Amino acid sequence: AQSVAQPEDQVNVAEGNPLTVKCTYSVSGNPYLFWYVQYPNRGLQFLLKYITGDNLVKGSYGFEAEFNKSQTSFHLKKPSALVSDSALYFCAVRDDTGRRALTFGSGTRLQVQP
Amino acid sequence: NAGVMQNPRHLVRRRGQEARLRCSPMKGHSHVYWYRQLPEEGLKFMVYLQKENIIDESGMPKERFSAEFPKEGPSILRIQQVVRGDSAAYFCASSPPTVGGGETQYFGPGTRLLVL
Repeated sequence: AQSVAQPEDQVNVAEGNPLTVKCTYSVSGNPYLFWYVQYPNRGLQFLLKYITGDNLVKGSYGFEAEFNKSQTSFHLKKPSALVSDSALYFCAVRDDTGRRALTFGSGTRLQVQP
Repeated sequence: NAGVMQNPRHLVRRRGQEARLRCSPMKGHSHVYWYRQLPEEGLKFMVYLQKENIIDESGMPKERFSAEFPKEGPSILRIQQVVRGDSAAYFCASSPPTVGGGETQYFGPGTRLLVL
């Protein structure tokens, strides 16, 4: 069975500081990993994904994530946070066996203070 | 290039009524997925469909819930005899045909169902 853990319900960071939102996963087989962002009363917007290749993945709005196979982690990072980055962030995983359902973490609320 | 469209955006039903949620995938996408989000929780997979076929319904409740994706028209998620516990946000996602796996699912704005 697949699972995703986002250990922090909320992350607070000052504008201009680097941010990290943590994600660890469990799958049988190789993982396909995704990050989405959700603004209030909106759908999920795709940020980035890891399928194969370079462990550092760059995505939308200056976000990046690093795949670490030994630690089964896929942490989301940004060098300099903006107030407009404040939102709910979801990590999701599926495996490479052909089943397409995504398993989501419970979400991390990012609050960027001016 | 329109994204995934869902309607209605908000739906209010009384207990025992039926709810019909519609989803039109992105242009060129033939795969549709439905997820449910309870308040303050992550999304839970319900069902995956291709045109005229249900591929994976492992996340669908066994009773009262059904989904279809006809040859023409939007995908429909139908909930019969709604109960208060069905109150949630229902999100549809779509993806293009398989090209080696790892395709991205793009989400619609969701339908927020409230059962009174």
